[in-house]
Amino acid sequence: SYDLTQPPSVSVSSGQTASITCSGDKLGGKNAYWYQQKPGQSPVLVIYQDKKRPSGIPERFSGSNSGNTATLTISGTLAMDEADYYCQAWDSNSVVFGGGTKLTVL
Amino acid sequence: EVQLVESGGGLVKPGGSLRLSCAASGFSFSNAWMTWVRQAPGKGLEWVGHIKSKADGGTTEYATSVKGRYTISRDDSKDTLYLQMNSLKIDDTAVYYCSTLRNGGLDSWGQGTLVTVSS
Repeated sequence: SYDLTQPPSVSVSSGQTASITCSGDKLGGKNAYWYQQKPGQSPVLVIYQDKKRPSGIPERFSGSNSGNTATLTISGTLAMDEADYYCQAWDSNSVVFGGGTKLTVL
Repeated sequence: EVQLVESGGGLVKPGGSLRLSCAASGFSFSNAWMTWVRQAPGKGLEWVGHIKSKADGGTTEYATSVKGRYTISRDDSKDTLYLQMNSLKIDDTAVYYCSTLRNGGLDSWGQGTLVTVSS
């Protein structure tokens, strides 16, 4: 089976740039997706097809994907960005999620 | 506005069955690929399976952990997605979400329904 690996936690100071990585074998050859989930809420898609933002997602969210690593970058991180973030890709007609990263905004 | 409303969750004993529903509105349900995702308490997201639109064949795919026990179906006349869960195990305890699949991503999600498997 295909595995996506994320760091369990990332901390960032308010106003600074947060980077959350997602690693998988030849992930750069697939499309990567990112979801934000706040406590008690459903996940929200924040990045699709590596770097595209759905309507309503702030410009401070961006994505990249190359080699074995996809990265979600949050520029000028706000307190409201504190949440769990999950990456996702497709493998053999199956959806695969990373284990999730808890982003703490200090 | 896209709306997805799951229902049918509850408490069930190990070995029991349950059917979840997801009522959709605000978009063309018949043209949509739909998926179920679950999240065990305090854990991450786990894909359960998905179903294509009938125009794309209406076929289903399942996670290994539920294959042979779960069945995803759809009723396009009712704009409703279903998840039939049989032979439930304690490890199936989770919040179950339905979502739309578009451009490869899960772009709209319901609020989820809690399934608890316990004796």
